[in-house]
Amino acid sequence: QVHLLQSGPGLLKPSQTLSLTCVISGDSVSSNSATWNWIRQSPSRGLEWLGRTYYRSKWYDDYAESVKSRITINPDTSKNQFSLQLTSVTPDDTAVYYCVRLTEQWPANTFDIWGQGTMVTVSS
Amino acid sequence: SYVLTQPPSVSVAPGQTARISCGGNDIGSKSVHWYQQKPGQAPILVVYGASDRPSGIPERFSGSNSGNTATLIISRVEAGDEADYYCQVWDSSSGLYVFGTGTKVTVL
Repeated sequence: QVHLLQSGPGLLKPSQTLSLTCVISGDSVSSNSATWNWIRQSPSRGLEWLGRTYYRSKWYDDYAESVKSRITINPDTSKNQFSLQLTSVTPDDTAVYYCVRLTEQWPANTFDIWGQGTMVTVSS
Repeated sequence: SYVLTQPPSVSVAPGQTARISCGGNDIGSKSVHWYQQKPGQAPILVVYGASDRPSGIPERFSGSNSGNTATLIISRVEAGDEADYYCQVWDSSSGLYVFGTGTKVTVL
């Protein structure tokens, strides 16, 4: 059974860097049949896909244009986890952040495993 | 960017059928997935590829997709189906995963 366990601070000041980690159990961050994603949810933006990392003979990442200049998603194979960094946060980045697996097996190309979510508040 | 539009709310009596629409340009050509989210919980997948169900999801959940509208259908609605529901597609033109605006289903 696959589980994702998130950790990271929940309160930030404007201009700081948001850092979250997602530990994977029951699967591998180096899997050739999954991608590892960060999705956030807020009342103003709804569910918003932020980006992903994945391994297909080498490491790849893709990011949403809305955050592309501020975001980094990194895998850590030694700890079987992946992380999110979002720089220069503003109150508009206040949201619940989820780490999520997208499987390319059955059910194909769906977000089938979600972390528990981390409420991140940006306030001075 | 690609936009998916859902009605904010749907109300249904127990035992009746709930239909939740998801509108998008030529959505019938895309693979649509549906997620259920209860308060304080992460979303879970209930229908994928417009009409298939993951293991553990009751047969009461089904869907359809044609033209500019995809629909999630919940038959014989139960109190436990009360939740927010989101449609989702992958937009190949932008490379983005896009979610609908969400629909709150209330069981009367």
